[in-house]
Amino acid sequence: NAGVTQTPKFQVLKTGQSMTLQCAQDMNHEYMSWYRQDPGMGLRLIHYSVGAGITDQGEVPNGYNVSRSTTEDFPLRLLSAAPSQTSVYFCASSYTLEGTDTQYFGPGTRLTVL
Amino acid sequence: GQQVMQIPQYQHVQEGEDFTTYCNSSTTLSNIQWYKQRPGGHPVFLIQLVKSGEVKKQKRLTFQFGEAKKNSSLHITATQTTDVGTYFCAGRGGGSNYKLTFGKGTLLTVNP
Repeated sequence: NAGVTQTPKFQVLKTGQSMTLQCAQDMNHEYMSWYRQDPGMGLRLIHYSVGAGITDQGEVPNGYNVSRSTTEDFPLRLLSAAPSQTSVYFCASSYTLEGTDTQYFGPGTRLTVL
Repeated sequence: GQQVMQIPQYQHVQEGEDFTTYCNSSTTLSNIQWYKQRPGGHPVFLIQLVKSGEVKKQKRLTFQFGEAKKNSSLHITATQTTDVGTYFCAGRGGGSNYKLTFGKGTLLTVNP
């Protein structure tokens, strides 16, 4: 199993450009989430999905879109990049088994918006 | 909304000293999870606590969940250089609220 994979690992954008961060998992997990991590801010939830076709907003959803057409993939779209979106983005997947819901994180995408 | 506070933000210790980080939630939690992130890496799950007053141990790490299910702590005995990293708590709300709220983390550095 590859676990949770994210592409690209690094990306530099200019203000106003759009792009999609890719996330895929091969563990057949129902739940997937996107977080951003900024210095001193911890991990903040952007969007999450509880299954294919179902998504919902997290704590900081503005400027981002998601969709979940398959169980495996959960792409994050930046509609018009802004310098405030410079951050490290982590995708995570999880499932619930006997009350345990471990989050498995991908390696992250380091995004810089100029 | 649900808030999870974690202190301290930073902790520097000499190798062999103990370390504790504390987590407090504004609301009652259904469970609390702890993660470790090495510098430049991604968060890795350590443990989940579910029951009121629960205590779990993993070698030198001791995790506690408060009686009211609103606070938690992670204690490391006799720190080693391999313990370096940021420790995050994450609280899941009750009911059908799936959202997991992370604390801001405690960065632990260990002087050999």
